[in-house]
Amino acid sequence: GQSLEQPSEVTAVEGAIVQINCTYQTSGFYGLSWYQQHDGGAPTFLSYNGLDGLEETGRFSSFLSRSDSYGYLLLQELQMKDSASYFCAVRDRGSGYSTLTFGKGTMLLVSP
Amino acid sequence: KAGVTQTPRYLIKTRGQQVTLSCSPISGHRSVSWYQQTPGQGLQFLFEYFSETQRNKGNFPGRFSGRQFSNSRSEMNVSTLELGDSALYLCASFPTGMNTEAFFGQGTRLTVV
Repeated sequence: GQSLEQPSEVTAVEGAIVQINCTYQTSGFYGLSWYQQHDGGAPTFLSYNGLDGLEETGRFSSFLSRSDSYGYLLLQELQMKDSASYFCAVRDRGSGYSTLTFGKGTMLLVSP
Repeated sequence: KAGVTQTPRYLIKTRGQQVTLSCSPISGHRSVSWYQQTPGQGLQFLFEYFSETQRNKGNFPGRFSGRQFSNSRSEMNVSTLELGDSALYLCASFPTGMNTEAFFGQGTRLTVV
């Protein structure tokens, strides 16, 4: 099976940079994704790493190292609206085509 | 383009009852997955459907079932409800072909009393 570990909570101040780590144990997967979920809302897609390295999308960047079974989401120039839960997820090979396994989520609290 | 629509948004049921939740994926998306979200367990995979066929099932008891119709709309059913079934049930749709992004609905908040 798949297993993803991420910190339960991270706090930061506006304008700062924060990194949310995700370590995983999986027999094989297509790539690592990140989703954002505001309280009571739908998870929304942020980023995907199919290959090792850094992917940048505006203020958000994501990194994957398959050799280290490790990835992270980097949020820069934090804003209050970034306060939300962030989930890493993998779509593993061999199971259903669109089955995602999620970490338990990291709650990011951004303070003024 | 309309997003993923889940109905109802909120539901209160008593123990022992059954419930049916509905999900309409984005037009053109043929793959639908369901997830249960609880504070302690995060998002846990329930089922995956593609072209009316269940392709994968998560580790849930047989009280949880689902189906997909020819128009890609999907339903999930929970019978003999238990208090522990209280959760946010999320539906996600995927476009055909290898893709990296899941589109989630707002979910159905089920409370079992």
